[in-house]
Amino acid sequence: DQQVKQNSPSLSVQEGRISILNCDYTNSMFDYFLWYKKYPAEGPTFLISISSIKDKNEDGRFTVFLNKSAKHLSLHIVPSQPGDSAVYFCAAFGGSNYKLTFGKGTLLTVNP
Amino acid sequence: ETGVTQSPTHLIKTRGQQVTLRCSSQSGHNTVSWYQQALGQGPQFIFQYYREEENGRGNFPPRFSGLQFPNYSSELNVNALELDDSALYLCASSLEQGSNYGYTFGSGTRLTVV
Repeated sequence: DQQVKQNSPSLSVQEGRISILNCDYTNSMFDYFLWYKKYPAEGPTFLISISSIKDKNEDGRFTVFLNKSAKHLSLHIVPSQPGDSAVYFCAAFGGSNYKLTFGKGTLLTVNP
Repeated sequence: ETGVTQSPTHLIKTRGQQVTLRCSSQSGHNTVSWYQQALGQGPQFIFQYYREEENGRGNFPPRFSGLQFPNYSSELNVNALELDDSALYLCASSLEQGSNYGYTFGSGTRLTVV
């Protein structure tokens, strides 16, 4: 069973516009959520995270929103830049288990 | 500070063979995790080592085994390779277990089993 779901395999946006990447989870034990960005031939790079005690965390152009009741989080990138084009993974962990559970990823393409 | 380095970057093995993948964790990090990323999927947790002890394992058979050394570098060993073991293997290190700052990943080893 897939405990972290990214239902959009791909997303295409224009440079300067907002990119919104979505993620849903099913495991109520998850209490920490992370977003990773991955370029081809590189490992995932940590982008931003959020604890379940918060509903928003912001870092520059990147903001993550968490809706615990809906078990949903989203990553907003404003403004989007061509260099943001990559695969974005949502990941979560919680309880006594420190393993990261990843979604399948969303390929973001930002067009100039 | 150096990041996480993995070797080799690419590898081709024959079904039934054994393989060892290596990982040097980021300086100061004592926790290493291994993940398998199949094509089109997100990384799947294999196991984690904390101060040389395995302290968590995902849904992988015993032919996947590992080691962590006193300098916190790590190895992933896979015996009796199967075609489905073809994947990108990622190593990640962190300062402690469940670091809230996220794990630092290496670039991975691309394993192809033929």
